[in-house]
Amino acid sequence: DADVTQTPRNRITKTGKRIMLECSQTKGHDRMYWYRQDPGLGLRLIYYSFDVKDINKGEISDGYSVSRQAQAKFSLSLESAIPNQTALYFCATSDPVATSGDTQYFGPGTRLTVL
Amino acid sequence: GIQVEQSPPDLILQEGANSTLRCNFSDSVNNLQWFHQNPWGQLINLFYIPSGTKQNGRLSATTVATERYSLLYISSSQTTDSGVYFCAVVNKLVFGQGTRLTINP
Repeated sequence: DADVTQTPRNRITKTGKRIMLECSQTKGHDRMYWYRQDPGLGLRLIYYSFDVKDINKGEISDGYSVSRQAQAKFSLSLESAIPNQTALYFCATSDPVATSGDTQYFGPGTRLTVL
Repeated sequence: GIQVEQSPPDLILQEGANSTLRCNFSDSVNNLQWFHQNPWGQLINLFYIPSGTKQNGRLSATTVATERYSLLYISSSQTTDSGVYFCAVVNKLVFGQGTRLTINP
């Protein structure tokens, strides 16, 4: 089984709809992240959480919100989706005290299309 | 904030060739990571390399933190090496724009 899972894997929605993307991990990591990737570009950080009680905005948090329901679960919401939020969304986890440092482990991604 | 620049943006090679991808960063880092994004979009960890050199099969990476760059070497390229290679300054949560590598048979 995959260590970091994302649901759904693909989603098509309409402008103005509320959308939730979910991320679960079995790695036991405290740190979790949400990124978005636009065609031809690198990943940009939306939100991150270093533990269940810690939520931080990233570079591009406007239009998004998150919820850290448990150590293993970190959800991303688009309150009112707009077409320029069409992108590939990745969840990641990391463990800063591991021997490999704060290595990021990524989920398979969610491809979101907003019409 | 920190800037992360990758070069070249695109690279097209024949199978069997060697390649060097570069990642420059504008500030001191204490951890740097290389990833491969395959044609299906999956991100795969290659190296966590804050300094020094690591090797894994045909791939190796070197980071010279004092000079603010990291290099990824791919030897004897195979078509399965195609995709986009990203470096990331993990402690700053900043990714480069990537190098798109195409290996032709």
